Amino acid sequence: SSELTQDPAVSVALGQTVRITCQGDSLRSYYASWYQLKTGQAPLLVIYGQNNRPSGIPDRFSGSRSGNTASLAITGAQAEDEADYYCNSRDSSGRIFGTGTKVTVL
Amino acid sequence: EVQLVESGGGLVQPGGSLRLSCAASGFTVSSNYMSWVRQAPGKGLEWVSVIYSGGSTYYADSVKGRFTISRDSSKNTLYLQMNSLRAEDTAMYYCAREQWTSSDYYFDYWGQGTLVTVSS
Repeated sequence: SSELTQDPAVSVALGQTVRITCQGDSLRSYYASWYQLKTGQAPLLVIYGQNNRPSGIPDRFSGSRSGNTASLAITGAQAEDEADYYCNSRDSSGRIFGTGTKVTVL
Repeated sequence: EVQLVESGGGLVQPGGSLRLSCAASGFTVSSNYMSWVRQAPGKGLEWVSVIYSGGSTYYADSVKGRFTISRDSSKNTLYLQMNSLRAEDTAMYYCAREQWTSSDYYFDYWGQGTLVTVSS
């Protein structure tokens, strides 16, 4: 089965921009979706499709794709954005999640 | 309002069985793609299984042959039957509704999860 690779951790100063990447062959065929995961809470969909935000997700979250790499950007990061972020895509045998990125807001 | 509520988790011995339930409200389970996703302690998210609206089912290699996903339309509930459980199946198990197009698959609603612990 295929894999989706993410950087383990990134940090960002309050109010600055951070970009998280997700790399994998399945992303050439399918868009990535992105999930925010905080301790004790259910995963939360933040970006899906070409660059779509569910209702209630702030517009500081945005997504993009180039080749086999999908990216999630947080523009003007806030303290409440500190969390783990996972990408997800379909592959030939089911669905796959990325390895996850821990975002720390300084 | 869409809601998903999991139940059925608990402590089970290695080799044992457990059935998880996911009661849905606000939409019809059988008309949607529904998945189970898990997170082991200190680990990342892992997709476990999906059932399509047409009834087709698919599984992660790690659970194939041991887990079975199903649904009951009369109860609007999704299930995960887990047999031959191993220590590495210890995790929080979430059910999630999936939306899809030809190039886009995403989980728009999630339950709060139910904890499964496999230990002697």
